[in-house]
Amino acid sequence: EAGVVQSPRYKIIEKKQPVAFWCNPISGHNTLYWYLQNLGQGPELLIRYENEEAVDDSQLPKDRFSAERLKGVDSTLKIQPAELGDSAVYLCASSLRTGKGNQETQYFGPGTRLLVL
Amino acid sequence: GQQVMQIPQYQHVQEGEDFTTYCNSSTTLSNIQWYKQRPGGHPVFLIQLVKSGEVKKQKRLTFQFGEAKKNSSLHITATQTTDVGTYFCAGSGGTSYGKLTFGQGTILTVHP
Repeated sequence: EAGVVQSPRYKIIEKKQPVAFWCNPISGHNTLYWYLQNLGQGPELLIRYENEEAVDDSQLPKDRFSAERLKGVDSTLKIQPAELGDSAVYLCASSLRTGKGNQETQYFGPGTRLLVL
Repeated sequence: GQQVMQIPQYQHVQEGEDFTTYCNSSTTLSNIQWYKQRPGGHPVFLIQLVKSGEVKKQKRLTFQFGEAKKNSSLHITATQTTDVGTYFCAGSGGTSYGKLTFGQGTILTVHP
């Protein structure tokens, strides 16, 4: 079974430029997450989708960040314009929500390492 | 909001020594998960604990969930060089179902 796929793996851009990240979750997983991970820190949730609906985007800086999950499968995360402080690893994860009450296991992709110069 | 804290931040051990990392939540958790992230890699799920006082073992790894469901620990017996990485706990609770709050992680290095 293929895991979570992310691209690109690395991205270097100049500040004020736009950047986009793409995620393909594990087949059949209805829940998709975007996380931000700074060096030496744990992942921080940016947005969570259940199918195509964003159910938690409270941590997403909406002035410059946007995300979409058309058709409830692949997702893109965009930053426009990028700032120096956006340099980090952007992780995508997916899970299968069964509605049985327990927290589902999240499967992480390899991440996109962004460097803003 | 919910906060999850982990100690220690770093742990250096000689191969064969034991290792423990502790996780504390500011609020009562529904469940807690543990992840391992190898250097340059991504978090990989290890285990989930749900019940108060629950203890689970995976070979040399022992996971505990506190009676009050606000703390947890991961203990590795007789560490090996393959245990190197960052260990994260992540809690979910209350109305934040579906949202995992990660601790800052404990970085483990093992000297051969």
